[in-house]
Amino acid sequence: AQKITQTQPGMFVQEKEAVTLDCTYDTSDQSYGLFWYKQPSSGEMIFLIYQGSYDEQNATEGRYSLNFQKARKSANLVISASQLGDSAMYFCAMREGGGGTSYGKLTFGQGTILTVHP
Amino acid sequence: GAVVSQHPSRVICKSGTSVKIECRSLDFQATTMFWYRQFPKKSLMLMATSNEGSKATYEQGVEKDKFLINHASLTLSTLTVTSAHPEDSSFYICSARGGAGLAGGNSYEQYFGPGTRLTVT
Repeated sequence: AQKITQTQPGMFVQEKEAVTLDCTYDTSDQSYGLFWYKQPSSGEMIFLIYQGSYDEQNATEGRYSLNFQKARKSANLVISASQLGDSAMYFCAMREGGGGTSYGKLTFGQGTILTVHP
Repeated sequence: GAVVSQHPSRVICKSGTSVKIECRSLDFQATTMFWYRQFPKKSLMLMATSNEGSKATYEQGVEKDKFLINHASLTLSTLTVTSAHPEDSSFYICSARGGAGLAGGNSYEQYFGPGTRLTVT
């Protein structure tokens, strides 16, 4: 079963406007972490924001904020004041709890291609 | 801090040859490194988890004998694609989980290398 779901293959936004990228997840763990990464055409993965399952406040990092709704198992990324340089592929990822040698491995969603129009 | 490098960034090889990709954590020690594979405009698929000093843990469906992973030190993991074929052409990305020596970073965060684009002709 898909553990991380991004239902928007592509999104368009006007420069300077805000945009929300959707992400839902499924896990039976109580302890988990949710990440958002940006991948421009160069291919590098750029860490944007992190939300721990026990964090009571929504994470924010500059223009990025994570709308964490635990009961709905959603972790949407909100980008405010979009810039042309925000055009890229965006991935939501989850790290499930537990120990062992595979601790820390991430499961990624399908990705959303964001295009910012001038 | 928290820089991960990969070498080479691009490689073209002939079918049947082997290719080695290096992943290095430059300013921190990474007891765990991860190898991902990504097809164009697709998601990252975890191939294996590499732990220093022990055998790698492969994800279901990944051929251990084809994708050899060695994590010889706390700063270096290598992925060798043996007897490469055109279907192995892909973007390979490594990541390292933050650990000892990581200044200014977070232990939960994974730091990704820039990726290696492999083309097998």
